[in-house]
Amino acid sequence: NAGVTQTPKFRVLKTGQSMTLLCAQDMNHEYMYWYRQDPGMGLRLIHYSVGEGTTAKGEVPDGYNVSRLKKQNFLLGLESAAPSQTSVYFCASKLERGGSYNEQFFGPGTRLTVL
Amino acid sequence: EDQVTQSPEALRLQEGESSSLNCSYTVSGLRGLFWYRQDPGKGPEFLFTLYSAGEEKEKERLKATLTKKESFLHITAPKPEDSATYLCAASPGAGSYQLTFGKGTKLSVIP
Repeated sequence: NAGVTQTPKFRVLKTGQSMTLLCAQDMNHEYMYWYRQDPGMGLRLIHYSVGEGTTAKGEVPDGYNVSRLKKQNFLLGLESAAPSQTSVYFCASKLERGGSYNEQFFGPGTRLTVL
Repeated sequence: EDQVTQSPEALRLQEGESSSLNCSYTVSGLRGLFWYRQDPGKGPEFLFTLYSAGEEKEKERLKATLTKKESFLHITAPKPEDSATYLCAASPGAGSYQLTFGKGTKLSVIP
């Protein structure tokens, strides 16, 4: 199992450009999440999905869109990148079973710089 | 508002010098308290889940404990390879699918 994978690993954008970050998981997990991590701010939830075809807003959703067309993939889009979106982005997935709250598994991250 | 606060922000230990990291939480109806390890340039790696006050879990030199207001990550006789940032996260009550993360404690173990 590859677990949670993210592409690309690094990207540099100019202000106003758009891009899509791809997250894939091969663990048949229902739930998927997108976070951003900034120095001194910790991990903050951008959007999440509780199943194929569903999405919901997290703590910091402005400027981002997401789609979950297939269970194994969760895409994060930036329509018009801004310098404030310079960050490290992590995807995570989780298996929900038996009512217990299970751990999230994280990908290796994408380092994005917006100039 | 749900909050998770970790202290200290950074901790330097000599190899073999035991210590504890603190995670204070304020969440409604805690469903789970999670500890992760994060190495530079990598994603968080799951360590432990604690579900109820009084619960303890161990893994090698690490032991996590939980009370009604706090969790501790005890590190016994640490080695340089234990150097990392340790993250604490809490899951609030039923109906929430989210985790609230603390800002982490950066641990450095000096040989």
